[in-house]
Amino acid sequence: DAMVIQNPRYQVTQFGKPVTLSCSQTLNHNVMYWYQQKSSQAPKLLFHYYDKDFNNEADTPDNFQSRRPNTSFCFLDIRSPGLGDAAMYLCATSLRGHSYNEQFFGPGTRLTVL
Amino acid sequence: DAKTTQPPSMDCAEGRAANLPCNHSTISGNEYVYWYRQIHSQGPQYIIHGLKNNETNEMASLIITEDRKSSTLILPHATLRDTAVYYCIVRAYTDKLIFGTGTRLQVFP
Repeated sequence: DAMVIQNPRYQVTQFGKPVTLSCSQTLNHNVMYWYQQKSSQAPKLLFHYYDKDFNNEADTPDNFQSRRPNTSFCFLDIRSPGLGDAAMYLCATSLRGHSYNEQFFGPGTRLTVL
Repeated sequence: DAKTTQPPSMDCAEGRAANLPCNHSTISGNEYVYWYRQIHSQGPQYIIHGLKNNETNEMASLIITEDRKSSTLILPHATLRDTAVYYCIVRAYTDKLIFGTGTRLQVFP
């Protein structure tokens, strides 16, 4: 089945140690998103790619970077994780130009910072 | 900022209809009403969307008032698997999803 895959599902890192989360999709969608969801809060958009065009949200910290080497893959890099970056990170895709632009979400990666 | 207001929580008996309200009094003419839900420890899942007409699919029905200032998501026969946080989101179809606080629906036996 076509889907959005996130690896790993659980990631533990140390304070200040760079970490990379990955997302892949088999939907051939042209837009990929990264959201951060802290405990008991709603998902918050960090940035998205429309094809190769990167779109950063104004309040996304510089500590968060992203790469999209091809249509299928997108990575979230946290350069120096702090305790406040512990959260669920959700990847989503959509097909811009589709009549209703539904977003498909992956299962998320839960990041713990020690 | 989210453009919607939802009750923080609701309960529903299994097998009964769950009616989840959403206020969006500042909705613009080109903005749709979308509903997503998030089951615990999973990613959000699209449910349904509408512009001004009522909509129905295999998961739910969406009733939008004539003035479009509010809507109701209806799960006709709630099951325990419908326990989740339900998000009502207003957006033009090319815009970002901005999640509000949502309604936590608890379906009980």
